[in-house]
Amino acid sequence: QKEVEQNSGPLSVPEGAIASLNCTYSDRGSQSFFWYRQYSGKSPELIMFIYSNGDKEDGRFTAQLNKASQYVSLLIRDSQPSDSATYLCAVSGDNDMRFGAGTRLTVKP
Amino acid sequence: DTGVSQDPRHKITKRGQNVTFRCDPISEHNRLYWYRQTLGQGPEFLTYFQNEAQLEKSRLLSDRFSAERPKGSFSTLEIQRTEQGDSAMYLCASSLLFLVVTDTQYFGPGTRLTVL
Repeated sequence: QKEVEQNSGPLSVPEGAIASLNCTYSDRGSQSFFWYRQYSGKSPELIMFIYSNGDKEDGRFTAQLNKASQYVSLLIRDSQPSDSATYLCAVSGDNDMRFGAGTRLTVKP
Repeated sequence: DTGVSQDPRHKITKRGQNVTFRCDPISEHNRLYWYRQTLGQGPEFLTYFQNEAQLEKSRLLSDRFSAERPKGSFSTLEIQRTEQGDSAMYLCASSLLFLVVTDTQYFGPGTRLTVL
C-alpha cells in the first residue's frame, strides 16, 4: 500500500514567522512531489513541485526533498494570514498521484 | 477562463439515482484525471485518461462508476445507483505530459455530490 503521511495539524504560526510542513511517503519508486494549497470549500491549487534531491525556492516557498529518507517538506517564509489553508502533499509514480490528508495551517495576525 | 471547468458545481440526488458529471480540461492538455475527496481527507485517485484512452483505474472505482473521454477532450464521470457513501467532492484535473519529467496537474473547481 502506497502511503503519503502528513501531520494533520492544526499548525499555528504568528504572522511573519516560518511555517514548516512535512510529508513522508512509502513508495521508493515515486518520481515527483507536489505541494498544493486548498482553501476550505475550494479545489487544490498548485504551489510548486520538486523531483530532484535538495531545495527548490519559489518566492516565499521552499520545497525540500530527501529521497533517501523518503521525506519532502515545504517552508513558507514571512507567513501571512492569507496563507491559512490546508496544505496537501502529493506524490506521483508511473500511473497515479497519491495525496496526503493535508496539514491545516493557521497564520495568526 | 482557460482553466479546468466542471459541471455541475453541485448535485443533490436521491439514493439509487444515476448522476453524470462533466469535466472540460485546459485546452491541449492530454491527460485528464478524476479524484474523489471527502471531508478531512486528501483527494483519492479514481481514474485517468491519456487522450481518449483510459489508462488506469483505482480499485476504489466500483462497477457503478464509469468514465469516458470520447474525443480526447472533455470527460464524463457517471455514477449509477448512487449510495449515500458516494457523497463527496468529485475533482477533475488535467495536465500536459510531453517529454517532461513532471506531470503537473491543475484542478477544476469540483462537483459536490450529496446523496440523500
